Formats: sequence, structure tokens, C-alpha cells
Amino acid sequence: GEDVEQSLFLSVREGDSSVINCTYTDSSSTYLYWYKQEPGAGLQLLTYIFSNMDMKQDQRLTVLLNKKDKHLSLRIADTQTGDSAIYFCAESMYAGNMLTFGGGTRLMVKP
Amino acid sequence: SQTIHQWPATLVQPVGSPLSLECTVEGTSNPNLYWYRQAAGRGLQLLFYSVGIGQISSEVPQNLSASRPQDRQFILSSKKLLLSDSGFYLCAWSEGWDHGEAPLYEQYFGPGTRLTVT
Repeated sequence: GEDVEQSLFLSVREGDSSVINCTYTDSSSTYLYWYKQEPGAGLQLLTYIFSNMDMKQDQRLTVLLNKKDKHLSLRIADTQTGDSAIYFCAESMYAGNMLTFGGGTRLMVKP
Repeated sequence: SQTIHQWPATLVQPVGSPLSLECTVEGTSNPNLYWYRQAAGRGLQLLFYSVGIGQISSEVPQNLSASRPQDRQFILSSKKLLLSDSGFYLCAWSEGWDHGEAPLYEQYFGPGTRLTVT
């Protein structure tokens, strides 16, 4: 079955860049997503990328996709304390329906 | 605008007791609805999804069940809770597959219910 892996924890200083990595196994993944979960809250979609794209930039967020290696990354420029949260990578074959999530990466931003 | 509600926000139940978690969506019609569980320190696991009233698909066999009695209401139930049922339960919705022009049907998540089985 599908499998999505992420590292558990990342710590950065305020103002630095954060890079959160994700690997997936399903080569038929068509849509790849990054979700943010703040403490005690639901998930919020941050950004997404189609499998036919290599890169997508959205303000401070840059998503890089290496389809050959099945590797997805999320870069947050100028990381702020408000970016502290758990970040989930997810993939699906079809738009918006059954998502397979990674275990989440807890990002801690130190002032 | 669309909103999604879940209740209760927190719940403590003894082993063997029944469970009923409710999720409702406002501001849209014929949405796809989903139940996810997030166990402590782990990722999200899709439990059930529904594309319409009375249509439920189960992703993981277990002692939980789901029902969709109305278009915008999704209920997660159990007859007898297990300790392993503890976790954070999230309901989500997305536009139905016959909606929208953009290929991305974003899933919108509710605030979640934290269930502790003692």
C-alpha cells in the first residue's frame, strides 16, 4: 500500500529557513499536499503541487518535488514563531479524495 | 461561506462504553465527508469516507462504524470502546466530485474531538 514518511522533529531559529522533507512510495500519486496543524486544532491546507510540476512557490513557502526519487520538500523562508506547528505531507491519486498522510513533522521555532 | 463543526471537543469514556461523535457541514451541498484518527505521536489515518447519504466506505476494519443520515451530517460510532480507540478524531469535507472547475478539491478539516478511553 501507499506509505508516506517524514522526520519527526525540526528545530530552527527565528528568521532562518526551514526545510521539511517527505518521501512517498506510490508512484501513481498525482497530488501532493502540505498541511499545517496548530496545537489542538484541525488541519489547514498550506499548499499543494501536481505531480507534473517540479516546484511551486507561494509567498514564503516553496515546494520542491523530485518525482524520480519520490521526494517532496517544504521550505519556509524567514521562519517565524507563529510557524511552530506540526506539518503533514499527504498524497492522493485523485483530487481531494482519499489522502494518505505522513506522520507529521513537529517544527519548533526558537526566538 | 462553508463551516464544519464537530462535537464534543473532548470526551473521556470508559472501556466498553458506546461512542457517538458528530460532524456537520454548513454552506455546501453533497460534500464528500471523511473521518480521520490521529493517534498520539502518529500521523493521520483515514477511517471512513462518504460520497453521499447512506454511502459509507471503510478504509480500516475495526470496532468503529460511520453513518450519514443526512447530506451534511456524518456520525462516528462504536458499540464498545477499546483503549486503542483513544486519539484525536478529525472530520473533513471536500467538494463532491461533480463540483468545481479546479482539479484540486481541498479537504477542509473540523476542529477535532479528543477522545480518551480509560
